Amino acid sequence: GAVVSQHPSWVICKSGTSVKIECRSLDFQATTMFWYRQFPKQSLMLMATSNEGSKATYEQGVEKDKFLINHASLTLSTLTVTSAHPEDSSFYICSARWGGSQYFGPGTRLLVL
Amino acid sequence: QKEVEQNSGPLSVPEGAIASLNCTYSDRGSQSFFWYRQYSGKSPELIMFIYSNGDKEDGRFTAQLNKASQYVSLLIRDSQPSDSATYLCAVRDNQGGKLIFGQGTELSVKP
Repeated sequence: GAVVSQHPSWVICKSGTSVKIECRSLDFQATTMFWYRQFPKQSLMLMATSNEGSKATYEQGVEKDKFLINHASLTLSTLTVTSAHPEDSSFYICSARWGGSQYFGPGTRLLVL
Repeated sequence: QKEVEQNSGPLSVPEGAIASLNCTYSDRGSQSFFWYRQYSGKSPELIMFIYSNGDKEDGRFTAQLNKASQYVSLLIRDSQPSDSATYLCAVRDNQGGKLIFGQGTELSVKP
């Protein structure tokens, strides 16, 4: 149990375009999901907490208008990187809380050219 | 600022030895503690969680918690080369519920 999937696993896009990343809890319902970003050789950085049916809570320094989060159902949260730039290239990982623990998806590697 | 501290390593141990990974946290009120393993290029994988003082064993892994000393550790017995990874300690923030991660300790198990 507690399987989290992400799609796509990797994406390459041109600067200025928007990219949507999906995060799904496959065998459980998740009222709370989390979005992280990780640069090479660095630890996880929490970007925002996504709550089903309400607005996401963003961490300090994260632009909510650039990183749009939607958690419309108990099994799906999406992160849209709007007007992506090369500095947004990173490893984006979602996670979902279940049974007191937190489980991570496989991550999405984004490369902005 | 609530913090979780880990020695970044790398920690190198020979195959078959016990690897000891340590973590300290600043919030005395913390109740939930987690260890994740992250292979290079992959996402974190939950290994263990511990809520009570003392030891918790799961196969070759033992988590140890000492709330008085604000210290949590992970022991890996009979270390294997496949255990080579970065190990992340995480503490749940009681107020917001989010996990606060340490920087991670890189473990290398030499054959």
